[in-house]
Amino acid sequence: GAVVSQHPSRVICKSGTSVKIECRSLDFQATTMFWYRQFPKQSLMLMATSNEGSKATYEQGVEKDKFLINHASLTLSTLTVTSAHPEDSSFYICSANDRGSTYEQYFGPGTRLTVT
Amino acid sequence: AQKITQTQPGMFVQEKEAVTLDCTYDTSDPSYGLFWYKQPSSGEMIFLIYQGSYDQQNATEGRYSLNFQKARKSANLVISASQLGDSAMYFCAMRGLNTGGFKTIFGAGTRLFVKA
Repeated sequence: GAVVSQHPSRVICKSGTSVKIECRSLDFQATTMFWYRQFPKQSLMLMATSNEGSKATYEQGVEKDKFLINHASLTLSTLTVTSAHPEDSSFYICSANDRGSTYEQYFGPGTRLTVT
Repeated sequence: AQKITQTQPGMFVQEKEAVTLDCTYDTSDPSYGLFWYKQPSSGEMIFLIYQGSYDQQNATEGRYSLNFQKARKSANLVISASQLGDSAMYFCAMRGLNTGGFKTIFGAGTRLFVKA
């Protein structure tokens, strides 16, 4: 089956620094990737939709200047949390649509971010 | 606007018995897909089952079946012959297939506890 990887799986950073999370589709081309955030014991909240070669579409309430998304190729999207604060500590999950399917969506294993 | 509602924060089931996890939804999109995902403590999202809005038959995948009642806008997940390994968080999700850029939204989730 299709595989989506995320790197790193865990990251700890100091408050005020930036951290980049990578999401890769390993064996398929993903024209669209999605970034979700999940706080403990809560659901996945969609942050933004990332389309290859164009600007990301952010959900209401998500600061686009704080969460920078780049989708430079059909297999890679990155999320950069800029000037991270402890309240940004969360589980970040990406997912990707297989361009050949209307409903297949594959999730990465997630990245646990802790800001100290 | 799309909305997914899961009203059961937690459910208990005896091993080997069946359990139903409730999900209702709301959408203005005439074509949509409904999903169930399992999230164990590791955090990975495991796809369980899919139901398209125009599918005439209820979806089944092994021990999982989806009780789709379109008029009631419900898509309940039935797990038969529960196993200890079924203990996890379960999310109902929906994606509009005509509008909304194929983004998937999630319900609040139901935590299932399987008792030995």
